[in-house]
Amino acid sequence: GESVGLHLPTLSVQEGDNSIINCAYSNSASDYFIWYKQESGKGPQFIIDIRSNMDKRQGQRVTVLLNKTVKHLSLQIAATQPGDSAVYFCAETQAGGSYIPTFGRGTSLIVHP
Amino acid sequence: ETGVTQSPTHLIKTRGQQVTLRCSSQSGHNTVSWYQQALGQGPQFIFQYYREEENGRGNFPPRFSGLQFPNYSSELNVNALELDDSALYLCASHIQETQYFGPGTRLLVL
Repeated sequence: GESVGLHLPTLSVQEGDNSIINCAYSNSASDYFIWYKQESGKGPQFIIDIRSNMDKRQGQRVTVLLNKTVKHLSLQIAATQPGDSAVYFCAETQAGGSYIPTFGRGTSLIVHP
Repeated sequence: ETGVTQSPTHLIKTRGQQVTLRCSSQSGHNTVSWYQQALGQGPQFIFQYYREEENGRGNFPPRFSGLQFPNYSSELNVNALELDDSALYLCASHIQETQYFGPGTRLLVL
């Protein structure tokens, strides 16, 4: 069936480096994508979203890139900090429907001081 | 903080028992979704409620049921608990497409 998946289960970086977390999706009907951050013992926290009519969207220290041709999504975190250590999930859904996102498995980001 | 609260935070039950989990939505959010998150996995959609009516359901058996109240708070009920029901149960309230998650209830079934 359709699925959202992540290429790397774990990413280790040094504090101050830039981090890139990748995600592949397979449902061509999806037109709204969200990145969530989940810290240990907490629920997922919304980071940034992007609609399919955009290729790039920037937030505070984060950028999401969408490549619809190859069905690929990435989250870039600039100047990664220890507080960024968490599991990151991408999720896809279809705007205009019930907004029920399909989550991938997640990537664990470990930031070393 | 998202303003979404869940209770209890942790719960231990035995196989065959029933459990009720509760969620209070963020003010103004008329839609709530429930998810099951197994260890090391992403959240899996259970069902969604919009203005007290079920508005979508994932691949979960009927022993998973829910309610949404006029104040938009919600309950998840699970009957005849199985060992595999052990997981973190998340609720998310939303208006339009952005969902705001609560901290979850961790359920352990022995």
